[in-house]
Amino acid sequence: NAGVTQTPKFRVLKTGQSMTLLCAQDMNHEYMYWYRQDPGMGLRLIHYSVGEGTTAKGEVPDGYNVSRLKKQNFLLGLESAAPSQTSVYFCASSYYPGREQYFGPGTRLTVT
Amino acid sequence: AQKITQTQPGMFVQEKEAVTLDCTYDTSDQSYGLFWYKQPSSGEMIFLIYQGSYDEQNATEGRYSLNFQKARKSANLVISASQLGDSAMYFCAMREGGGSSNTGKLIFGQGTTLQVKP
Repeated sequence: NAGVTQTPKFRVLKTGQSMTLLCAQDMNHEYMYWYRQDPGMGLRLIHYSVGEGTTAKGEVPDGYNVSRLKKQNFLLGLESAAPSQTSVYFCASSYYPGREQYFGPGTRLTVT
Repeated sequence: AQKITQTQPGMFVQEKEAVTLDCTYDTSDQSYGLFWYKQPSSGEMIFLIYQGSYDEQNATEGRYSLNFQKARKSANLVISASQLGDSAMYFCAMREGGGSSNTGKLIFGQGTTLQVKP
């Protein structure tokens, strides 16, 4: 039981490049979330999904897209990376929407 | 708008002593949930404790307890008998809404860095 895994762990992009972050969970959770963590600002919700095939915007969705084609996977895409997207990205999942979320180890992304 | 405030950027505590980390929240919802997460220097987010807005008793999990004062809109984390391994960043978070509108979205505070001195 791996819990929530994220790929890759680190990435450096040049401005304008694109990439996809993969989140996978093996706990059969319905709900999945993408957050970003910036220094001194805590975590902020980018997008979330309440089940396979669904996605919705969070607090800071601009510049990101997501897809949930399979229940266990939640992909976060950056179509044209900007330096303002330099951050640590966390994926999380939960079985019930009102209870604790289980977090992945995070992806550290630097955009130069 | 919902908001979480952690006013203590950094805290020190002596090993084996208790420490309280402050958290205040603002919401107009009647149904909500409050969480505390720990983030050690390795970076992972570890769930510690949960309190529902309708729970009458304060939540406890081992050495962690949540001092829930609904009228004051505070949800302070109390760590008893601090250990060196408790040194970490601690985040308070709130889940918006309840019932059929509950999507589980969390709002996080800015965090408090706790350092435990030997």
